[in-house]
Amino acid sequence: EAQVTQNPRYLITVTGKKLTVTCSQNMNHEYMSWYRQDPGLGLRQIYYSMNVEVTDKGDVPEGYKVSRKEKRNFPLILESPSPNQTSLYFCASSSSGSSYNEQFFGPGTRLTVL
Amino acid sequence: GQQVMQIPQYQHVQEGEDFTTYCNSSTTLSNIQWYKQRPGGHPVFLIQLVKSGEVKKQKRLTFQFGEAKKNSSLHITATQTTDVGTYFCAGLYGKLTFGQGTILTVHP
Repeated sequence: EAQVTQNPRYLITVTGKKLTVTCSQNMNHEYMSWYRQDPGLGLRQIYYSMNVEVTDKGDVPEGYKVSRKEKRNFPLILESPSPNQTSLYFCASSSSGSSYNEQFFGPGTRLTVL
Repeated sequence: GQQVMQIPQYQHVQEGEDFTTYCNSSTTLSNIQWYKQRPGGHPVFLIQLVKSGEVKKQKRLTFQFGEAKKNSSLHITATQTTDVGTYFCAGLYGKLTFGQGTILTVHP
């Protein structure tokens, strides 16, 4: 089944404790991205990647890191999480090298930083 | 920077009533995409509009792209309880920018 998977689905952590949210897609998509969703703000892009070893900042990259060593994986790293990073996070992928086409979203990761 | 504004933020309707959400961009768009997110779920792609003035239909849903490619709308005829959720537009101008979304509730 074609899908985007994320882990963990739920995470409660404390300020400053490094964490990684994994994202994997099995559709051989070139384009992958991370969004955060907050009430009243919609979906805001954190980082995106047009291909392996190519990443770039989205609209709200501060406090986040990403890497794209393999085509299928695009982990989101929070080196020192803070309470303002409490949010719902979505990974997405697309078949083109850009966001031109349909975005396929993962199930989401709900992160709480205490 | 590019902004995509979506209104209304909330819409409550009785089952059977119509519903419309509007999307406006500060720049001319390459295309616009629409997504639906069910409560507790993730956004799911509905449709993409590319041409100026384009109109597409999916059963009770009608999508329009403005002549200037700066605005779009999603209209649902005779809403059903299965239509509940948040509807997002996303405008593409170099990069994809999502609107704030419209949360639709349908009272049976």
